[in-house]
Parts: sequence; C-alpha cells; structure tokens
Amino acid sequence: EIVLTQSPGTLSLSPGERATLSCRASQSVWSSYLAWYQQKAGQAPRLLIYDASSRATGIPDRFSGSGSGTDFTLTISRLEPEDSAVYYCQQYGSSPPYTFGQGTNLEIK
Amino acid sequence: EVQLLESGGDLAQPGGFLRLSCAVSGFTFANYAMTWVRQAPGKGLEWVSVINYSGGNTYNADSVKGRFTISRDNSKNTLFLQMNSLRVEDTAIYYCAKGRRSDWRSSLDSWGQGTLVTVSS
Repeated sequence: EIVLTQSPGTLSLSPGERATLSCRASQSVWSSYLAWYQQKAGQAPRLLIYDASSRATGIPDRFSGSGSGTDFTLTISRLEPEDSAVYYCQQYGSSPPYTFGQGTNLEIK
Repeated sequence: EVQLLESGGDLAQPGGFLRLSCAVSGFTFANYAMTWVRQAPGKGLEWVSVINYSGGNTYNADSVKGRFTISRDNSKNTLFLQMNSLRVEDTAIYYCAKGRRSDWRSSLDSWGQGTLVTVSS
C-alpha cells in the first residue's frame, strides 16, 4: 500500500499570496496517477487536478499541479478568501487501495 | 448534470449491519467504475472500496475487508455498500464517487453529499 504524506499540516497565508502544498509518496506513483481535491467545511470533496497536472473541468488556472515519481506539488497562485479549505492528494496508480494523504489545512488570513 | 445521492445511513449497534445506496443520474452509469470513500468526524478522507464498470471486479481496504461488500445494479443506476459486523470505528460520513474514466485507475470527478453512519451502543 502506498502511503501519502502531505506537508505542511496547516498553512496560513494572505489573499494574493502563493500557496505551495506538497504530497510525498512512499513509493513511485505509477504513471503519475495522482489527484488533488479541495474540501470546504461541510461539503463533499471536489476534484481539482488529475494525472498530476491536468486541471479538472471548471477549475481556475490559479490552481496547478506538478511532479512525478514520489514528489508532487499543488500550487495556488493569487490566493482568494474562498480558497480556504482542506486539500487532499490521492494516488490511483497500478492496483488498489487508492490511498489519500492526511490533508493540508489552508487558512486565508 | 451528474448527480449522486447516497442514502441508508443510520444509527447501528456494534456487530450490526447497514446497506448504503447511491442513486446516480446524468451519465452512463454502466461505463464507469465507482468508489466509496468515508470520513470519520473531524478526520481526513479514507478510501474504502471500488467496483469496476461491470461489477465483475471489486477491491476493499484492509480496514473493511471481509465485512463490507460493494456491488452495483447497472439496470437501476445504483451503487451499494453492504456493511456487516459494524464497529465503532466505522462511524463516518460515507461518500460515493464516480471515476473520471471507465478504468478504476481513475481520479474521482463527481461526489455525492454523503450519508452519515453512526455505530454506537
């Protein structure tokens, strides 16, 4: 089973700043099959990025993903207040289980 | 518009059982793998179970293996999760989610709003 470790646990930034969230895998993620999700309080998760760097439908270009192998990054440029949420990475390469990271809590001051 | 609506969440006793359903619309259900994901109160997301487009292949997380069974009825556009031998630690919101591709090696591009399962005596 692949273990995903996200850092930092909490990130506090101001509107207009850039956020950089990390997701590290315990072994290489096959075919860079890694996704990022955003979950706001009381809501279901929403897909942001799939296959490490492709934006999902309707996601603004402020959100971008990069990485391969064991190291992946979600970057949010020009933060807005509505970006306050918990962000999760998930790997879905090769065989199940398709594990999630423990999440990064992004606070917009 | 893609819609997923979970139901069946309830209060159950340890050792008891529940059956969750997820009714879908807005896409060709029989063409996509489906997944159950859960979230304990105040905790992160936990991947639970996946089923391929036909129902012929399934996989469960170790935490539920031997107790939970995922299934689907493509004629009724409905996904199920049979939960037996429930434990207190199964208490969570259970989400059903649609794969972005037909292959179960896929991100999850649509989610239901979840149904709450509480296991307590």
